[in-house]
Amino acid sequence: KQEVTQIPAALSVPEGENLVLNCSFTDSAIYNLQWFRQDPGKGLTSLLLIQSSQREQTSGRLNASLDKSSGRSTLYIAASQPGDSATYLCAVKGYSGAGSYQLTFGKGTKLSVIP
Amino acid sequence: DGGITQSPKYLFRKEGQNVTLSCEQNLNHDAMYWYRQDPGQGLRLIYYSQIVNDFQKGDIAEGYSVSREKKESFPLTVTSAQKNPTAFYLCASSITSVGQSLQETQYFGPGTRLLVL
Repeated sequence: KQEVTQIPAALSVPEGENLVLNCSFTDSAIYNLQWFRQDPGKGLTSLLLIQSSQREQTSGRLNASLDKSSGRSTLYIAASQPGDSATYLCAVKGYSGAGSYQLTFGKGTKLSVIP
Repeated sequence: DGGITQSPKYLFRKEGQNVTLSCEQNLNHDAMYWYRQDPGQGLRLIYYSQIVNDFQKGDIAEGYSVSREKKESFPLTVTSAQKNPTAFYLCASSITSVGQSLQETQYFGPGTRLLVL
């Protein structure tokens, strides 16, 4: 069964710092990996989606990498801002049988950016 | 505006009571999902539906039931058999869950927080 682990569970950084969030997964047979953002008491917003054949994706100050063979992904946030404070969730998409595909989520990293 | 709506935002359940959480989408998506989120935990899949009048159990379906009579709607009922229902419930949708849309992400609603009285 797929397991997704995110380290660290919480992170506090001063504004302007570059930071890296880590995600690891146990089964490399994935179709894609996604990073989501969740604000307190809210739903999830997709940030980046990396296909299994890709190595990285970039969107603005965010860069996500994927090393499928080693079961690892990183989310790099450049020049962090207080508005980046949120919980970041990693999820991998795998085959779940009967022609359907499911997301398996990590527990998230809670990021606080201090002004 | 296209999106997913969930209601109510907060829901209170009494002992032995069944409660129903609403999820509606106007994105014309075929697939819809229900997840449960507990504090400090990742999302866990309760039920999903790939098409109208069809749905499948996820990892934690016991104590829950769903229906999919319309493409736009996927209500979740938390039954009295669910002994620990306090959680944040998230509904999501995607164009389809089948293989040709592997690049498709899931879009999430704002969530419903269920509390037990």
